[in-house]
Amino acid sequence: EAQVTQNPRYLITVTGKKLTVTCSQNMNHEYMSWYRQDPGLGLRQIYYSMNVEVTDKGDVPEGYKVSRKEKRNFPLILESPSPNQTSLYFCASRPMSSYNEQFFGPGTRLTVL
Amino acid sequence: KQEVTQIPAALSVPEGENLVLNCSFTDSAIYNLQWFRQDPGKGLTSLLLIQSSQREQTSGRLNASLDKSSGRSTLYIAASQPGDSATYLCAGPNKLIFGAGTRLAVHP
Repeated sequence: EAQVTQNPRYLITVTGKKLTVTCSQNMNHEYMSWYRQDPGLGLRQIYYSMNVEVTDKGDVPEGYKVSRKEKRNFPLILESPSPNQTSLYFCASRPMSSYNEQFFGPGTRLTVL
Repeated sequence: KQEVTQIPAALSVPEGENLVLNCSFTDSAIYNLQWFRQDPGKGLTSLLLIQSSQREQTSGRLNASLDKSSGRSTLYIAASQPGDSATYLCAGPNKLIFGAGTRLAVHP
């Protein structure tokens, strides 16, 4: 089954404790991205990647890092999480062409205390 | 910079009504426009994708249209059902700039 998976689905952590949210897709998509969703602000893009070893900032990249060492994986790293990063996070992927449909993961609900 | 606006922000209707959800975007140089459904606390499910060369797409009771010249897309839901209750999001191309969504409640 074609899908985007994320882990963990739920995470409660404390300020400053490094964490990684994994994202994996099995559709051989070149383009992958991370979004955060906050009430009243909608979904905003954090980082995106157009292929292996090619990443770029989205609209709200501060406090986040990403890597793209393999085509299928695109982890989101919070080196020193803060309470304002409490949010619902989504990973997405699609083929490189902008004409194609984007697929989303199920989401990761992160709470930073 | 592309901005996407959705109207109304919330809608509550009785079962059986036909609905129109609106989405407007500022940059007409788009590749496609995608409509999603999101259930509370859940991920996004793609409903319809309209490519820039198309005027509309249909899937069951859903019909989405795209007017690039006016910068608008509409999602038409026919004969609404309680199971249609969710938040509906439209998104522009490439980086997928999202609107804030329309929260729909269909009551029996």
